[in-house]
Amino acid sequence: GDSVTQMEGPVTLSEEAFLTINCTYTATGYPSLFWYVQYPGEGLQLLLKATKADDKGSNKGFEATYRKETTSFHLEKGSVQVSDSAVYFCALGTSGGGYQKVTFGTGTKLQVIP
Amino acid sequence: GAGVSQSPRYKVAKRGQDVALRCDPISGHVSLFWYQQALGQGPEFLTYFQNEAQLDKSGLPSDRFFAERPEGSVSTLKIQRTQQEDSAVYLCASRRQGNVVNTEAFFGQGTRLTVV
Repeated sequence: GDSVTQMEGPVTLSEEAFLTINCTYTATGYPSLFWYVQYPGEGLQLLLKATKADDKGSNKGFEATYRKETTSFHLEKGSVQVSDSAVYFCALGTSGGGYQKVTFGTGTKLQVIP
Repeated sequence: GAGVSQSPRYKVAKRGQDVALRCDPISGHVSLFWYQQALGQGPEFLTYFQNEAQLDKSGLPSDRFFAERPEGSVSTLKIQRTQQEDSAVYLCASRRQGNVVNTEAFFGQGTRLTVV
């Protein structure tokens, strides 16, 4: 079945450090890929997405590139801020039966210290 | 409000008690999903509605779990005879369209259920 594997946390970085959170997936067909973020006390929010191979999703300084050859969708940011502290979920969306089902990874907690 | 609203935010139930969790999706959204998120885990799919039709309930863990959306808007997830393993955050999400891929799903803040 479809699955997502992402690096375990927590990840602790100093402000302005470079961030990478690894994500790989297993899916049949051609899934869409997402990163969701959950800030403390808030609901899940879509951070970025990519719908086909070699697409790059970007938002708020975060980027991820859909790599079909390595089945990966790693999240990167060049310079993290304290406000980026949150839990990040990699996810894939597969379509069938007339709708899209989203499968999530286990989440990676990021803590950015001043 | 503009977002997905879930109530209650927190629920403590004694083992064996029945509970009902409510989700108010964004007005006009066709699709509605329920997810279960155990502590330290990612959300796991429970069930999907397109308007009032429950098209997929493959993720419901047992026949103690039941969901409905009778008028195609508000949805209720009911858990009968709660067990400790039901303790989790239950998330609701809605999407404007059902059969168009890649439209964004909006999540509520969830209901944290603790069974004691």
